[in-house]
Parts: sequence; C-alpha cells; structure tokens
Amino acid sequence: AQKITQTQPGMFVQEKEAVTLDCTYDTSDPSYGLFWYKQPSSGEMIFLIYQGSYDQQNATEGRYSLNFQKARKSANLVISASQLGDSAMYFCAMRAPSRLSFGAGTTVTVRA
Amino acid sequence: ETGVTQTPRHLVMGMTNKKSLKCEQHLGHNAMYWYKQSAKKPLELMFVYNFKEQTENNSVPSRFSPECPNSSHLFLHLHTLQPEDSALYLCASSLSPDRGDYGYTFGSGTRLTVV
Repeated sequence: AQKITQTQPGMFVQEKEAVTLDCTYDTSDPSYGLFWYKQPSSGEMIFLIYQGSYDQQNATEGRYSLNFQKARKSANLVISASQLGDSAMYFCAMRAPSRLSFGAGTTVTVRA
Repeated sequence: ETGVTQTPRHLVMGMTNKKSLKCEQHLGHNAMYWYKQSAKKPLELMFVYNFKEQTENNSVPSRFSPECPNSSHLFLHLHTLQPEDSALYLCASSLSPDRGDYGYTFGSGTRLTVV
C-alpha cells in the first residue's frame, strides 16, 4: 500500500523568502512518480513539478524545486522567492503505478 | 483553464434530490477520475475510468453513480445523498492510467452542499 505523509499542516513565510514543504512516502513499487500540486482557494489542483523514481537529478520548474532523497523516501518541495500569490494549499502525491494518492496537504500563507 | 471543465461549480441539493456533476476534457486523455475532497481529509479516489470502462470503484456508496459515455466526458449522478457527502468533487484526467510518469490534470471542482 502507498502512503504519503505531510507533517506540516500550516506554514507562514515572508514574501521573497524561500520555504520548504516536507513530504515522505512509502511504497514497495520500484517505479513511481512523485508530484506536487497547488490548490488555491478556488479549488483547482494545479500541477507544479514531477520527479520520477529513476531520475538522477532533482526536478526544477521555475521557482519550484524538488529535493528528492530516495534512500530516505522524501520529496520535499522548495519554493524560492515566495510571492503573495503562492498562498495556497500544497499537496504531495505519488503515482505507483496506476493510482495517484495524496498527502493531507500543507497550507502556506505568504506575508507581505 | 486547465483543459478539464467541471460543471456546475457550486451545487446545493436536498437529500431527496437527484443531480448530476459533469466533467469534460479535450486533452486526448484516455483515463478519467472522480475524487472527493472533504474538509481536513486527504483527497479520496472514488472512481477510475480507462477508455470508458470503469476499472476502479473504491467502495463508494451506491448513491454515487458514475457514467462515462466516451473518453472525453464523465458524469457523477447523485441521489439521496447525506449531509456528510458535502465536499469538493474533483474530476481529473490523464493520458494513461498505467504510466507513473504522467500526472493528472484536474478540473476546478464542484463544491457540493447537501442540506
């Protein structure tokens, strides 16, 4: 069975600073994908970044980077230079192989 | 717009009503999904459709009835719901249900309130 754990229910970050959102996972499948989604108050789930289990390098997408530590089974999201528009709920998810399972989410509030 | 459109965005219904949620995608995806997001709970996968065929039903009560007439459209028919069914219902699609490197594209959801 797959399990995704996000231990930070809520975080505050100052505008222009970086923030790290924690995610650990557990799966017995050797091949899996790790995803981060952003959910603003409007409800839509917005894809941010993807990391494959066999990828050698950490994924980056603009201000988002994924700190992938396979041996520790962690896939932390780093948001650099936070903006007010980054205030939202962030979900870590894993696909292994056919279903996408989500963690409980972390609420990020960016302060001006 | 993400490419996955859900209607209506908001729905209030009585426990004896019958209503339907609609999801539409024109991304060329072959798999479609219904998720339920309740307050303070992780997203729960309800149903999976692959090439119009239901491949997964995660012990969802029969008062929720999905329908997938083609790979682009997915419905969730609702009848005799309970107040605890109030939630955000999210539809998603993906190119393939079996490829781990493909994420899902989500719609904006239908916020359902059962009174």
